[in-house]
Amino acid sequence: AQSVTQLDSQVPVFEEAPVELRCNYSSSVSVYLFWYVQYPNQGLQLLLKYLSGSTLVESINGFEAEFNKSQTSFHLRKPSVHISDTAEYFCAVSDHYNTDKLIFGTGTRLQVFP
Amino acid sequence: GAGVSQSPSNKVTEKGKDVELRCDPISGHTALYWYRQRLGQGLEFLIYFQGNSAPDKSGLPSDRFSAERTGESVSTLTIQRTQQEDSAVYLCAPGRENTDTQYFGPGTRLTVL
Repeated sequence: AQSVTQLDSQVPVFEEAPVELRCNYSSSVSVYLFWYVQYPNQGLQLLLKYLSGSTLVESINGFEAEFNKSQTSFHLRKPSVHISDTAEYFCAVSDHYNTDKLIFGTGTRLQVFP
Repeated sequence: GAGVSQSPSNKVTEKGKDVELRCDPISGHTALYWYRQRLGQGLEFLIYFQGNSAPDKSGLPSDRFSAERTGESVSTLTIQRTQQEDSAVYLCAPGRENTDTQYFGPGTRLTVL
């Protein structure tokens, strides 16, 4: 069975500092990997995804994630965070050979302080 | 979410009552997924529709939960004899055939008193 682990439930960081949100997954088959973001009082939005090809994927707002097959990881990074990045971040995996249902991690709350 | 509405946006009900939650995607979405997000937790998969059939119901927590879908259109999730542990935000995510990405609706926040 597939699973996703987000070890950090909360990550406090000061504005303009770098941040890494960790995500590890387990799966016996090839997977697609996703990061979703949920801003306060808003719905769930896709941030970025890895399907195939380049292992480094980027979002439009400066986040990036790298698929590491040997370490079964898909950590999310940003070199300099803004107050507006404060949100809950969810890592997810889908089995694209089956139903494509998403298995989510428990989420990491990123709190950016001025 | 991209091309999907859910109703009601909020529902407060008493324990033991039945509730019906609705997901209304724009046309062209052959696949449709339901998830729920309980307070402080990640999203849990409930059920997957391909057209109006449900090949994967493995996430439904109990037989109190059921869902239907009309063709490639509206889907309803019904919870009978609601319990307090059913309190959560229920989200649907439509998708096109062979799509690789799910976009989520705004959700229904269900509170069972």
